Order: sequence, then structure tokens, then C-alpha cells
Amino acid sequence: DIQMTQSPSSLSASVGDRVTITCRASQDISNYLAWFQQKPGKAPKSLIYAASSLHSGVPSKFSGSGYGTDFTLTISSLQPEDFATYYCQHYKSYPLTFGQGTRLEIK
Amino acid sequence: EVQLVESGGGLVQPGGSLRLSCAVSGFAFSDYYMDWVRQAPGKGLEWVARSRNKGNSYTTEYAASVKGRFTISRDDSKSSLYLQMSSLKTEDTALYYCVRSGNNWPPILDSWGQGTLVTVSS
Repeated sequence: DIQMTQSPSSLSASVGDRVTITCRASQDISNYLAWFQQKPGKAPKSLIYAASSLHSGVPSKFSGSGYGTDFTLTISSLQPEDFATYYCQHYKSYPLTFGQGTRLEIK
Repeated sequence: EVQLVESGGGLVQPGGSLRLSCAVSGFAFSDYYMDWVRQAPGKGLEWVARSRNKGNSYTTEYAASVKGRFTISRDDSKSSLYLQMSSLKTEDTALYYCVRSGNNWPPILDSWGQGTLVTVSS
């Protein structure tokens, strides 16, 4: 199975900041990488697929990059609604697996 | 508007069975891969099972943790996805999400239901 490891596990930031979350795959997954946002008590929301493509309706403040084993999610100009937990997920092969999540908190 | 509405969750004893349903609307159900993803209380996301679309003969994939105990199925005439769960264990306690995946390759998780809670406890 491909293991996905996110860092950091938690992150404190202020409104207006720019933050970056890292996701590492245990083997080459090409660009078969997605990112999700989950707010407390809510279902996950799909943000990014193919490592860097935004789903329809996702604001351009979210950006993704990477290829192979190392990937990043960057969120610019943080707003209160961006504070949530973020997950990466590969879809290179079965089983599909998620990272453990990164909790983004307000400083 | 894409909608996915799960139902069928509840409290069940270890070793018991439960059938989850997901009613969808707003898209051509038979064209899409569909998945179940679960989240144990306070934990992260875990992919459970996939049903491929009609064009791929509705073949299925499972996580090792549920293979042989869970069965994913669908009824395109009812635009519904199902998850038959048997031999339930306490570690199957989770919120189960129905998720639409793509209708082209590679299929990506793109739309999520609100989830239905399954509690396995004596």
C-alpha cells in the first residue's frame, strides 16, 4: 500500500498569512494526488486534483504543486473560513489512501 | 445540483449486519464511479470501497480492512448506491460518506454526501 504522510500535523497561523502543507507519498504516484478541506462537523470538500488543478468553484487562493513523491498545498491570505483540517489523498492504485490530516488553527 | 444523501446508519451489535444507502441526484449516476469513505470519531479519512461505472461493468474494489465483510453495489434505475456490511466489528464505528468519483480516467473523488453514522457496540 502507498502511505501518505502530511506535515505538519497541526499548524497555527494568523488571518492574512500564507501557509504551506506538505504531503509525501511512500512511492512515486506521478500527479495522482488530491487535496480536501474538512471543517468541524462537516463533510470533506474537494479542493484540488491532479496535484495542481482546482475543482470548480474553489478560489485561486488555494494552489497545489508537486510530482512523484512530494507535494504541497499552499493557502494564501488566510481568512477565518480557511481554518480547517486538510487531507491529501493518492489515487495511483488501490487501496486509495489519505494522509493523516493537517489541522490549521487560528493563532 | 449534485446531491448525495446517505441513510441506514445506526447502532448494531458486534457481529451484526447493516445496509447503508445513498440516493443521488443531479448527475448521470450510471456514468460515474462511486465510493464509500469512512471516518472514525475524531480520526482521519479511510477509503472503504469503490463501484466502477456501467462502462466498466460495475466492478468493485475494497480496502483490506473490509474485504470479505462488506459489499458495495448499485442500482442505476434508482440512482442509488449501497454498502452491505456484515460481521461488523467495533472498529467499523464511523461516519460513512458516499462519494461521487469521476466519469473519466482517472476517477477522482469530487462530491461528498453528509454521511451516516454507524455505531458498533454491545
